[in-house]
Amino acid sequence: GAGVSQSPSNKVTEKGKDVELRCDPISGHTALYWYRQSLGQGLEFLIYFQGNSAPDKSGLPSDRFSAERTGGSVSTLTIQRTQQEDSAVYLCASSWSGTGGYEQYFGPGTRLTVT
Amino acid sequence: AQKITQTQPGMFVQEKEAVTLDCTYDTSDPSYGLFWYKQPSSGEMIFLIYQGSYDQQNATEGRYSLNFQKARKSANLVISASQLGDSAMYFCAMSNSGGGADGLTFGKGTHLIIQP
Repeated sequence: GAGVSQSPSNKVTEKGKDVELRCDPISGHTALYWYRQSLGQGLEFLIYFQGNSAPDKSGLPSDRFSAERTGGSVSTLTIQRTQQEDSAVYLCASSWSGTGGYEQYFGPGTRLTVT
Repeated sequence: AQKITQTQPGMFVQEKEAVTLDCTYDTSDPSYGLFWYKQPSSGEMIFLIYQGSYDQQNATEGRYSLNFQKARKSANLVISASQLGDSAMYFCAMSNSGGGADGLTFGKGTHLIIQP
């Protein structure tokens, strides 16, 4: 079956522009996660959705970051007024549930470069 | 706060040898889950193995086993009979309540290189 898909795979943007990253989870997975991977910070957890609800948004790096999920499926991560430090690979993952030790299946990531 | 420590930034191992990748963790939660993921140079994160904090036996998945020592807060990954295709970054990760409701906390990773 289809895995987690993310688009675009690569995005180059100018500093100050807004970007939108998309994640399509595996069908039937109720939990969806966003992570950021960069050389300096390693893998950081950003936000988690159970259904369409995100119980805790404190992992988002700043108020320029927002995320939403609609229909219990597709999620978008939006970064406003991008900065160079936002350059990273943004990974999305999904799992059957947020509890119970279910493995998270990761997408291929979106490589964001802010120039 | 949860923390994962991987003390081996890089390792070189001869093909067919067994490999142990170290992972120690810190948490005040009695219920948690421990995961290992593999990230080849292509970038995808591949789930390898899971251990719940209340599991009595060490987890095994094919050539992978997790040496879980709860009192020492360690969760080392053992790869038996290493293969060239095992060359990759390996990440140890922890979730809260065994399931990841707060997302996974990852270690810095170990870059494993298998030599022929």
